[in-house]
Formats: sequence, structure tokens, C-alpha cells
Amino acid sequence: EAGVTQFPSHSVIEKGQTVTLRCDPISGHDNLYWYRRVMGKEIKFLLHFVKESKQDESGMPNNRFLAERTGGTYSTLKVQPAELEDSGVYFCASSQGGQSNQPQHFGDGTRLSIL
Amino acid sequence: GENVEQHPSTLSVQEGDSAVIKCTYSDSASNYFPWYKQELGKRPQLIIDIRSNVGEKKDQRIAVTLNKTAKHFSLHITETQPEDSAVYFCAASDAGNMLTFGGGTRLMVKP
Repeated sequence: EAGVTQFPSHSVIEKGQTVTLRCDPISGHDNLYWYRRVMGKEIKFLLHFVKESKQDESGMPNNRFLAERTGGTYSTLKVQPAELEDSGVYFCASSQGGQSNQPQHFGDGTRLSIL
Repeated sequence: GENVEQHPSTLSVQEGDSAVIKCTYSDSASNYFPWYKQELGKRPQLIIDIRSNVGEKKDQRIAVTLNKTAKHFSLHITETQPEDSAVYFCAASDAGNMLTFGGGTRLMVKP
């Protein structure tokens, strides 16, 4: 079974540019989550999809961040325009549907560097 | 919202010794507590989890204990090996599925 896949693994862009991160969850997983780790701090929640619907987006830092999961399969996270403080590692995770708190399986992350 | 504190931030042990990492949480509604291990440059891997209806869970050399009254939970690794060296994260969640993570513990096992 393929795990959670994220692309790209690393992105370096200039401040003001746009970047789109992609996450492919484990096949059949209804729940998809985005987290990020900034400058060696703790991993912080961004948002949670159940299929194609946003269940919880309370962790999204501001309106420069836009997440989508059209069709309930893969998800994208777009940052536009990118700012210096957006640098960090963005993780995607997925879990099965049904009962709450099914184990979340993480991808390798996308390391985003804003210059 | 939930707040999770994790201690220590770094831990160095001799191979074969035990390692203990402790976490406290603030939200009494939290009922799910996973632990993740992240090796350098790799993804966080779930190594063990515990739900609030049990006090302890073991899996070979790894065990987790939960004290709901005191709102703390701990990871115990016995007979540590060099391959146990990694950053370990605790997390807590209520029924909403969102994980709140602790700050991480860098464990170094010296051969």
C-alpha cells in the first residue's frame, strides 16, 4: 500500500511569489490534514478535510493560504503571495473515515523556503 | 484550545538504558494520545497511541502511560538502541481529530 505522498519535496521561491503544494493521501482515506513545522517549533495543525469538505480550518494562518480537495482525492495548498514567515516544513496526513481519531499517517513533507 | 507541553527537549542515554519522555495537556476533553518518531529527513511515524479509556499500553520495548486526572502521559523506551535516536513528538486530540503536538524531544542513544 502506498503511503501519503507529497510533492514537491523542496521548494525555494522569492517573497511575493506563489507556490502550490500537493498531497496524495492513502487510497480510501476520507480524512486529510495539513500541518506545518516552522523554524524547529512544534508541528501545528492547519486544516482538516473530510472527503472534499473542509471540516476544520481553524489553523490556517491567514487568507494567503488556500487549500482545496476537489473530488475528495488529492489536496493542494496554495500560498499566494508567499511571505518570509511562511518558510517551514508542510506535512500532509491522512486517516480512515468512520470513528473519530483514527491513526494519522504522515507524508515526508514539503520543505518550503522563502527568500 | 488544547496546549501540550513536552519534556525534556533533549535526552541523551547510553545504549541499553531506558528513556522516558513526558507530556502534559490542558484540555480534559482530549481522549486520544499518539506518539510519533521522526528520524532526520524522514516523515513522522506513528509508533504507539493510547486512548483515554486505558491507562497503559505496551508494544515490545515501547510503552505509554496515561494519567487522566493529572492530564499527563509518558513514553517509555526500554533497552534503548542506537536506531532509537530520533525526535519524538507527543500529541493530543479530542473527537475533532485535530492533533495538537508537543515541542518534540531529541533522543540520542550513545553506543
